[in-house]
Amino acid sequence: DAGITQSPRHKVTETGTPVTLRCHQTENHRYMYWYRQDPGHGLRLIHYSYGVKDTDKGEVSDGYSVSRSKTEDFLLTLESATSSQTSVYFCAISEDPSAGYTFGSGTRLTVV
Amino acid sequence: SQQGEEDPQALSIQEGENATMNCSYKTSINNLQWYRQNSGRGLVHLILIRSNEREKHSGRLRVTLDTSKKSSSLLITASRAADTASYFCATPGRGGKLIFGQGTTLQVKP
Repeated sequence: DAGITQSPRHKVTETGTPVTLRCHQTENHRYMYWYRQDPGHGLRLIHYSYGVKDTDKGEVSDGYSVSRSKTEDFLLTLESATSSQTSVYFCAISEDPSAGYTFGSGTRLTVV
Repeated sequence: SQQGEEDPQALSIQEGENATMNCSYKTSINNLQWYRQNSGRGLVHLILIRSNEREKHSGRLRVTLDTSKKSSSLLITASRAADTASYFCATPGRGGKLIFGQGTTLQVKP
């Protein structure tokens, strides 16, 4: 989607390795979010940010950490990847959450 | 936590028919949003309805909101094959978070 890019688009990694996913925006939006999407669970919030260096946990934050050192980038790190973290990860941005989000195209992560 | 629950989970119709999806939520909201997700893509914001609105239209989309029943419906009229996608409702949580339901998968057969 215009204004928001996720990288990589696909990644296969081994159990126990650290993995970092990147979300980059050019919209200068204040809020950024990381969700994971799994069959039967819909979208679940992992972490979100409401400003540079301001982050908070979502409902499924265990095993994940985030950093936001500048407005445009929000990094999601799997500290030690497990097979249960195999999922599709979506980043979203918003300037006014009450008006809606813009989503990235997703990162498909497979942990083997 | 407040969460939208969509019904049905899956819907299959013929092109030209109308498609109706329902969403129920648990707590008071100030707005409810609908999103579409095409296979392998991110979600796209479709329409937002505020708590003081009962109905809203956007092209072939019609959304209703009944706050007394804590439910919303999304109607797609004269469906097309390109409407094949998953549809999600979302309600605002604390701190600017959106809580998504599990979605309705719509298949429109040509």
